Amino acid sequence: NAGVTQTPKFRVLKTGQSMTLLCAQDMNHEYMYWYRQDPGMGLRLIHYSVGEGTTAKGEVPDGYNVSRLKKQNFLLGLESAAPSQTSVYFCASSPLAGSVEQYFGPGTRLTVT
Amino acid sequence: GENVEQHPSTLSVQEGDSAVIKCTYSDSASNYFPWYKQELGKGPQLIIDIRSNVGEKKDQRIAVTLNKTAKHFSLHITETQPEDSAVYFCAASREDKLSFGAGTTVTVRA
Repeated sequence: NAGVTQTPKFRVLKTGQSMTLLCAQDMNHEYMYWYRQDPGMGLRLIHYSVGEGTTAKGEVPDGYNVSRLKKQNFLLGLESAAPSQTSVYFCASSPLAGSVEQYFGPGTRLTVT
Repeated sequence: GENVEQHPSTLSVQEGDSAVIKCTYSDSASNYFPWYKQELGKGPQLIIDIRSNVGEKKDQRIAVTLNKTAKHFSLHITETQPEDSAVYFCAASREDKLSFGAGTTVTVRA
């Protein structure tokens, strides 16, 4: 079991460029989440999915889009990157909603210049 | 939405001493309170959690207490060891989303 994996681990973008972050989980979890982590601000939820083909907005969704075409994959897209999107991005999954453990991936460090 | 405040932001303790991290939450409907540990370069990992129908839970050197009336919960680490050095996050959950505190960087001095 690989758990939750994220691709890529590091990326540098120029303002205005686009990219897609890939999250994959092999635990057959229904729920998947994308967070961003910034110094002094903890983890903030960007978007989440409660099952294949569904997505929903979190706390800070602006500037990001997501897709969950397959149950095991959750993609986070940046259409036109901005320096404010420089952050560490974490994907997580859980078998149920709410009161259960979320399993996190190792993170993607993104720098937008 | 839920607002979780966490204190202190940094904590330095002597090896063998205890460490305490405190969190408050705003939404009285929150019913699940996990604590995550994040080591350098890794994703957060659950270390202990507590539900709203329980006041205290212990797992070896780690314990968590919950005061629903005050909307306050705490993490206690006893007999700290160098491997306890990490960033710790508290969180509160209502329905299907977690709200995280800002994190506490714990350093255990040898």
